[in-house]
Amino acid sequence: DAKTTQPPSMDCAEGRAANLPCNHSTISGNEYVYWYRQIHSQGPQYIIHGLKNNETNEMASLIITEDRKSSTLILPHATLRDTAVYYCIVRGSQGAQKLVFGQGTRLTINP
Amino acid sequence: DVKVTQSSRYLVKRTGEKVFLECVQDMDHENMFWYRQDPGLGLRLIYFSYDVKMKEKGDIPEGYSVSREKKERFSLILESASTNQTSMYLCASSQGGPAKNIQYFGAGTRLSVL
Repeated sequence: DAKTTQPPSMDCAEGRAANLPCNHSTISGNEYVYWYRQIHSQGPQYIIHGLKNNETNEMASLIITEDRKSSTLILPHATLRDTAVYYCIVRGSQGAQKLVFGQGTRLTINP
Repeated sequence: DVKVTQSSRYLVKRTGEKVFLECVQDMDHENMFWYRQDPGLGLRLIYFSYDVKMKEKGDIPEGYSVSREKKERFSLILESASTNQTSMYLCASSQGGPAKNIQYFGAGTRLSVL
Protein backbone atom coordinates (compact mmCIF):
# COMPACT_ATOMS: atom_id res chain seq x y z
CA ASP A 1 0.00 0.00 0.00
CA ALA A 2 1.19 3.50 -0.79
CA LYS A 3 2.60 5.58 2.05
CA THR A 4 0.73 8.73 3.06
CA THR A 5 1.99 11.95 4.62
CA GLN A 6 -0.22 14.28 6.63
CA PRO A 7 0.55 17.34 8.77
CA PRO A 8 0.53 16.35 12.45
CA SER A 9 -1.88 19.08 13.50
CA MET A 10 -4.14 21.84 12.19
CA ASP A 11 -6.47 24.43 13.62
CA CYS A 12 -9.65 25.82 12.11
CA ALA A 13 -12.26 28.30 13.28
CA GLU A 14 -15.77 27.07 13.86
CA GLY A 15 -17.99 27.67 10.84
CA ARG A 16 -15.09 27.88 8.41
CA ALA A 17 -14.05 25.21 5.93
CA ALA A 18 -11.39 22.82 7.17
CA ASN A 19 -9.05 21.60 4.43
CA LEU A 20 -6.93 18.61 5.37
CA PRO A 21 -4.15 17.66 2.94
CA CYS A 22 -2.65 14.25 2.29
CA ASN A 23 0.30 13.34 0.09
CA HIS A 24 0.41 9.89 -1.49
CA SER A 25 2.97 10.27 -4.28
CA THR A 26 3.53 6.51 -4.69
CA ILE A 27 -0.13 5.65 -5.20
CA SER A 28 -0.76 3.09 -7.89
CA GLY A 29 -3.54 3.03 -10.45
CA ASN A 30 -5.88 0.67 -8.64
CA GLU A 31 -5.52 2.16 -5.16
CA TYR A 32 -8.26 4.21 -3.54
CA VAL A 33 -7.91 7.05 -1.06
CA TYR A 34 -9.93 6.58 2.15
CA TRP A 35 -10.50 9.05 4.95
CA TYR A 36 -11.40 8.13 8.50
CA ARG A 37 -11.52 10.15 11.68
CA GLN A 38 -11.33 9.27 15.34
CA ILE A 39 -12.93 11.44 17.93
CA HIS A 40 -11.33 11.14 21.36
CA SER A 41 -12.16 7.83 23.12
CA GLN A 42 -14.30 6.58 20.26
CA GLY A 43 -13.75 4.11 17.43
CA PRO A 44 -12.62 5.35 14.01
CA GLN A 45 -15.36 6.56 11.69
CA TYR A 46 -15.35 6.17 7.91
CA ILE A 47 -15.83 9.50 6.13
CA ILE A 48 -15.35 9.15 2.39
CA HIS A 49 -13.25 7.50 -0.31
CA GLY A 50 -12.37 8.03 -3.95
CA LEU A 51 -10.31 6.73 -6.84
CA LYS A 52 -9.74 9.69 -9.16
CA ASN A 53 -12.91 11.75 -9.34
CA ASN A 54 -13.86 14.24 -6.67
CA GLU A 55 -16.42 12.89 -4.25
CA THR A 56 -18.94 14.47 -1.91
CA ASN A 57 -21.23 13.06 0.73
CA GLU A 58 -23.14 14.41 3.70
CA MET A 59 -20.00 14.59 5.80
CA ALA A 60 -17.29 15.94 3.53
CA SER A 61 -15.82 16.45 0.08
CA LEU A 62 -12.73 14.74 -1.27
CA ILE A 63 -10.62 16.45 -3.90
CA ILE A 64 -8.00 14.28 -5.63
CA THR A 65 -5.42 15.94 -7.87
CA GLU A 66 -5.29 14.92 -11.50
CA ASP A 67 -1.99 13.06 -11.02
CA ARG A 68 -3.50 11.41 -7.91
CA LYS A 69 -0.40 12.15 -5.86
CA SER A 70 -2.28 14.16 -3.28
CA SER A 71 -5.77 14.79 -1.98
CA THR A 72 -7.65 17.15 0.29
CA LEU A 73 -10.51 16.38 2.62
CA ILE A 74 -12.84 19.35 3.02
CA LEU A 75 -15.24 19.80 5.92
CA PRO A 76 -17.29 22.71 4.53
CA HIS A 77 -18.60 24.21 7.78
CA ALA A 78 -16.56 22.85 10.65
CA THR A 79 -18.17 22.49 14.07
CA LEU A 80 -16.64 21.78 17.47
CA ARG A 81 -17.74 18.15 17.07
CA ASP A 82 -15.37 17.82 14.11
CA THR A 83 -12.38 18.03 16.46
CA ALA A 84 -10.68 14.67 15.91
CA VAL A 85 -7.68 12.90 14.41
CA TYR A 86 -8.14 12.49 10.66
CA TYR A 87 -6.49 9.61 8.83
CA CYS A 88 -5.79 9.33 5.12
CA ILE A 89 -5.32 5.73 3.97
CA VAL A 90 -4.44 4.44 0.53
CA ARG A 91 -5.52 0.85 -0.22
CA GLY A 92 -6.19 -1.35 -3.17
CA SER A 93 -9.14 -3.70 -3.34
CA GLN A 94 -6.84 -6.71 -3.29
CA GLY A 95 -4.52 -7.90 -0.60
CA ALA A 96 -4.74 -8.00 3.17
CA GLN A 97 -7.86 -7.02 5.00
CA LYS A 98 -6.43 -4.79 7.68
CA LEU A 99 -6.45 -1.03 7.59
CA VAL A 100 -3.19 0.67 8.49
CA PHE A 101 -3.71 3.96 10.27
CA GLY A 102 -0.71 6.29 10.30
CA GLN A 103 -0.30 9.20 12.69
CA GLY A 104 -3.01 11.29 11.03
CA THR A 105 -3.76 14.99 11.47
CA ARG A 106 -5.08 16.23 14.79
CA LEU A 107 -7.69 18.82 13.78
CA THR A 108 -8.82 21.26 16.43
CA ILE A 109 -11.89 23.39 15.78
CA ASN A 110 -11.78 26.59 17.78
CA PRO A 111 -14.87 28.54 18.84
CA ASP B 1 -26.85 3.30 9.51
CA VAL B 2 -24.45 0.49 10.24
CA LYS B 3 -24.23 -0.32 13.88
CA VAL B 4 -21.37 -2.18 15.51
CA THR B 5 -21.97 -2.75 19.19
CA GLN B 6 -19.33 -3.79 21.69
CA SER B 7 -20.62 -5.30 24.89
CA SER B 8 -18.68 -3.13 27.33
CA ARG B 9 -17.11 0.34 27.21
CA TYR B 10 -14.90 -0.27 30.23
CA LEU B 11 -13.72 -3.51 31.79
CA VAL B 12 -11.40 -4.23 34.69
CA LYS B 13 -10.02 -7.76 35.07
CA ARG B 14 -7.36 -9.50 37.10
CA THR B 15 -4.25 -11.20 35.76
CA GLY B 16 -4.97 -14.78 34.75
CA GLU B 17 -8.70 -14.31 34.24
CA LYS B 18 -10.36 -15.46 31.03
CA VAL B 19 -11.90 -12.44 29.35
CA PHE B 20 -14.59 -12.32 26.67
CA LEU B 21 -15.14 -9.26 24.50
CA GLU B 22 -18.27 -9.40 22.40
CA CYS B 23 -19.08 -7.57 19.19
CA VAL B 24 -22.32 -7.56 17.21
CA GLN B 25 -23.04 -5.92 13.84
CA ASP B 26 -26.44 -5.44 12.29
CA MET B 27 -25.61 -5.02 8.58
CA ASP B 28 -25.09 -8.61 7.50
CA HIS B 29 -21.40 -7.90 6.84
CA GLU B 30 -19.14 -10.78 5.83
CA ASN B 31 -15.98 -9.43 7.44
CA MET B 32 -15.36 -8.70 11.09
CA PHE B 33 -12.17 -7.53 12.76
CA TRP B 34 -10.60 -7.09 16.17
CA TYR B 35 -7.94 -4.40 16.62
CA ARG B 36 -6.19 -3.04 19.64
CA GLN B 37 -5.06 0.55 19.93
CA ASP B 38 -2.19 1.74 22.10
CA PRO B 39 -0.61 5.19 22.33
CA GLY B 40 2.17 5.60 19.79
CA LEU B 41 1.45 2.22 18.17
CA GLY B 42 -1.74 2.99 16.29
CA LEU B 43 -4.27 0.29 15.49
CA ARG B 44 -2.97 -3.25 15.24
CA LEU B 45 -5.02 -6.11 13.85
CA ILE B 46 -5.42 -9.08 16.18
CA TYR B 47 -7.74 -11.37 14.20
CA PHE B 48 -10.30 -11.10 11.47
CA SER B 49 -13.03 -13.31 10.09
CA TYR B 50 -14.42 -13.37 6.55
CA ASP B 51 -17.20 -15.86 7.18
CA VAL B 52 -18.92 -17.82 9.91
CA LYS B 53 -16.50 -20.18 11.64
CA MET B 54 -13.60 -18.77 9.58
CA LYS B 55 -10.78 -16.79 11.13
CA GLU B 56 -7.41 -15.43 10.13
CA LYS B 57 -4.56 -14.24 12.32
CA GLY B 58 -3.65 -10.60 12.16
CA ASP B 59 -0.39 -9.03 13.25
CA ILE B 60 -0.57 -9.75 16.97
CA PRO B 61 -2.67 -12.89 17.64
CA GLU B 62 -0.58 -14.23 20.53
CA GLY B 63 -2.55 -14.52 23.74
CA TYR B 64 -5.89 -14.13 21.96
CA SER B 65 -8.44 -16.36 20.30
CA VAL B 66 -11.69 -15.59 18.50
CA SER B 67 -15.03 -17.18 17.81
CA ARG B 68 -17.56 -16.53 15.07
CA GLU B 69 -20.48 -18.92 15.40
CA LYS B 70 -23.01 -16.53 13.87
CA LYS B 71 -22.52 -14.00 11.08
CA GLU B 72 -23.42 -11.02 13.24
CA ARG B 73 -21.27 -11.85 16.26
CA PHE B 74 -17.49 -11.92 16.65
CA SER B 75 -15.96 -12.63 20.05
CA LEU B 76 -12.43 -11.95 21.22
CA ILE B 77 -11.14 -14.16 24.02
CA LEU B 78 -8.16 -13.49 26.24
CA GLU B 79 -7.36 -16.96 27.50
CA SER B 80 -5.35 -15.76 30.49
CA ALA B 81 -5.30 -11.99 30.78
CA SER B 82 -1.97 -10.30 31.39
CA THR B 83 -1.11 -6.70 32.23
CA ASN B 84 0.36 -6.12 28.75
CA GLN B 85 -3.11 -6.72 27.33
CA THR B 86 -4.37 -3.53 28.95
CA SER B 87 -5.53 -1.59 25.92
CA MET B 88 -8.41 -0.17 23.91
CA TYR B 89 -10.03 -2.93 21.87
CA LEU B 90 -11.92 -2.04 18.72
CA CYS B 91 -14.23 -4.24 16.70
CA ALA B 92 -15.07 -3.46 13.08
CA SER B 93 -17.09 -4.96 10.25
CA SER B 94 -17.20 -4.56 6.48
CA GLN B 95 -18.80 -6.00 3.41
CA GLY B 96 -16.80 -8.39 1.30
CA GLY B 97 -15.29 -7.65 -2.07
CA PRO B 98 -14.26 -4.12 -3.13
CA ALA B 99 -16.06 -2.55 -0.15
CA LYS B 100 -13.90 -4.37 2.36
CA ASN B 101 -11.87 -1.27 3.08
CA ILE B 102 -14.92 0.60 4.32
CA GLN B 103 -14.86 -0.63 7.87
CA TYR B 104 -17.38 0.38 10.51
CA PHE B 105 -16.08 0.47 14.05
CA GLY B 106 -17.64 0.02 17.43
CA ALA B 107 -17.13 2.52 20.25
CA GLY B 108 -14.33 0.42 21.75
CA THR B 109 -13.75 -1.43 25.01
CA ARG B 110 -11.12 -0.02 27.32
CA LEU B 111 -9.72 -3.03 29.17
CA SER B 112 -7.55 -2.73 32.25
CA VAL B 113 -5.81 -5.86 33.52
CA LEU B 114 -4.55 -5.50 37.09
